[in-house]
Amino acid sequence: ILNVEQSPQSLHVQEGDSTNFTCSFPSSNFYALHWYRWETAKSPEALFVMTLNGDEKKKGRISATLNTKEGYSYLYIKGSQPEDSATYLCAFSNTGGFKTIFGAGTRLFVKA
Amino acid sequence: GAGVSQTPSNKVTEKGKYVELRCDPISGHTALYWYRQSLGQGPEFLIYFQGTGAADDSGLPNDRFFAVRPEGSVSTLKIQRTERGDSAVYLCASSFAANTEAFFGQGTRLTVV
Repeated sequence: ILNVEQSPQSLHVQEGDSTNFTCSFPSSNFYALHWYRWETAKSPEALFVMTLNGDEKKKGRISATLNTKEGYSYLYIKGSQPEDSATYLCAFSNTGGFKTIFGAGTRLFVKA
Repeated sequence: GAGVSQTPSNKVTEKGKYVELRCDPISGHTALYWYRQSLGQGPEFLIYFQGTGAADDSGLPNDRFFAVRPEGSVSTLKIQRTERGDSAVYLCASSFAANTEAFFGQGTRLTVV
């Protein structure tokens, strides 16, 4: 059974704080790891698609790292802003299939 | 269109009825996914289309669920004999190819009463 775990489940931070969340996934037969941001009443928005062990990607104040050997990815947000408040989802896909398994997400609340 | 469009945005139906949910993907995207999201959980994979064919339908929960994409563009998710447990947000996503950046629609919120 393919399982993707995200922690923490929710996080409350102050504006300006830096924060990070974890996504754990099966380390065997890895193909890709996706990060999405999902704001209330909007569609999930793709942040990163990561495929290589050791990969690091950055978009503005948000960055992500990937360790496929141990099966985890970190998402970092530097200097959190209220508009960063959203649910951050990671999703794993393995070789030989097209199924994408999502974690339950980390709900981030940034207080001004 | 500019993005993935799903209709209707909300659907309330009685238990036992048949419903169809529509997804218009981004033009040119050959990959199309359907997911179901229940409160407090991440999206649950239902089915993946590559072009017109269902390349992976292993996520469909039972034979009451069926999806088609006859011309490789618009897809319809069909649910027969709806049950209260089918209530969820049904999300559609499309991408240029499998496992590339996916673009989601806003979902259809299905409520079975």
